[in-house]
Amino acid sequence: AQKITQTQPGMFVQEKEAVTLDCTYDTSDQSYGLFWYKQPSSGEMIFLIYQGSYDEQNATEGRYSLNFQKARKSANLVISASQLGDSAMYFCAMREPYGGATNKLIFGTGTLLAVQP
Amino acid sequence: EAQVTQNPRYLITVTGKKLTVTCSQNMNHEYMSWYRQDPGLGLRQIYYSMNVEVTDKGDVPEGYKVSRKEKRNFPLILESPSPNQTSLYFCASSFSGTLNQPQHFGDGTRLSIL
Repeated sequence: AQKITQTQPGMFVQEKEAVTLDCTYDTSDQSYGLFWYKQPSSGEMIFLIYQGSYDEQNATEGRYSLNFQKARKSANLVISASQLGDSAMYFCAMREPYGGATNKLIFGTGTLLAVQP
Repeated sequence: EAQVTQNPRYLITVTGKKLTVTCSQNMNHEYMSWYRQDPGLGLRQIYYSMNVEVTDKGDVPEGYKVSRKEKRNFPLILESPSPNQTSLYFCASSFSGTLNQPQHFGDGTRLSIL
């Protein structure tokens, strides 16, 4: 069964420093998609970044980058130059292959990031 | 503005009183889903829909119903709510079922069933 594991329930980082949020996944499929979402205290889910299993380069979106290590089945989110507004819960998620047609995202349990001034 | 709109945002109600959470998207997306979020469990899919009149169960469908009579709307119905359905609910949509399509989420509905 497909599974996402986020082993860091909570993390602290100093403002302007970089932080890495860990995510490992388990799947027997060769084709899959990995996503990171941010959930601020207000509750909404904000899409941050996507990495496809066949993408050769690590995905980047502004201050967000994804450290994708396929052999280790890890997809860690790196936030550079942390800002106070980055304080939020972060979820790693995996998309089932298209053949499943459920459009389901499988989520980890999340990491709560606190940025300190 | 492209968005997924859920209503209500907050609801406190009592066991057994039927309720409906509405979801509407203005992006002409084919795929829509409902998730519930519980502490320590992340988000779990309740139901999904691939298009009008096409719906199916997700991982935790018990106690819920859905319908998809129009492409833009995907309401979640709790016929006889119970306290274990107290949760934060999200509606999500995506343009297609391909892997690289991110799901766009509504702002969430916090339900408390007493």
